[in-house]
Amino acid sequence: DGGITQSPKYLFRKEGQNVTLSCEQNLNHDAMYWYRQDPGQGLRLIYYSQIVNDFQKGDIAEGYSVSREKKESFPLTVTSAQKNPTAFYLCASSMVQGPAFFGPGTRLTVL
Amino acid sequence: AQRVTQPEKLLSVFKGAPVELKCNYSYSGSPELFWYVQYSRQRLQLLLRHISRESIKGFTADLNKGETSFHLKKPFAQEEDSAMYYCAGGTSYGKLTFGQGTILTVHP
Repeated sequence: DGGITQSPKYLFRKEGQNVTLSCEQNLNHDAMYWYRQDPGQGLRLIYYSQIVNDFQKGDIAEGYSVSREKKESFPLTVTSAQKNPTAFYLCASSMVQGPAFFGPGTRLTVL
Repeated sequence: AQRVTQPEKLLSVFKGAPVELKCNYSYSGSPELFWYVQYSRQRLQLLLRHISRESIKGFTADLNKGETSFHLKKPFAQEEDSAMYYCAGGTSYGKLTFGQGTILTVHP
């Protein structure tokens, strides 16, 4: 699972600012995912991508954007349109037919 | 709608006692089901998947299609089993629906 890295570990944002969370993997996985983890709510899927230059909305995509220009990278931008962005964000990757491996997470706090 | 439910937010047992973490699902079609575990200060990691029918760290989980359940069981709990456990389901491995999670505490 050490093949997925997320940065930064902690991120603070002022209201009205956009911020970008980084996710990189060296596992040669085709698919990558972003989840949001909130206490008592489990993990919820934000966006996912199964191939370079293509991505799909998950269950809670509003206020977020992603790009997939390279196979190993899947950055997530939290925009000012996201009403409640303070959360723990997890990135994951998998082969199309294989288990998902998760990164260590980024904790975003809006001040 | 796809739904995974873990009815217990907290579960406490004593070392050596059996433990069962409950998971129920509601899916159209035939989902893949998984248990993930998150130990303190560690990343989320896969514990079990129903298609492999294996035992990991003494844990097993049986898919009951009639009851739409995928409960996680261990006959003798250990202190190092204390963690957050998530049940998840999906039609592909990464595009998953997670339950709310159960915090398991194993007391000495």
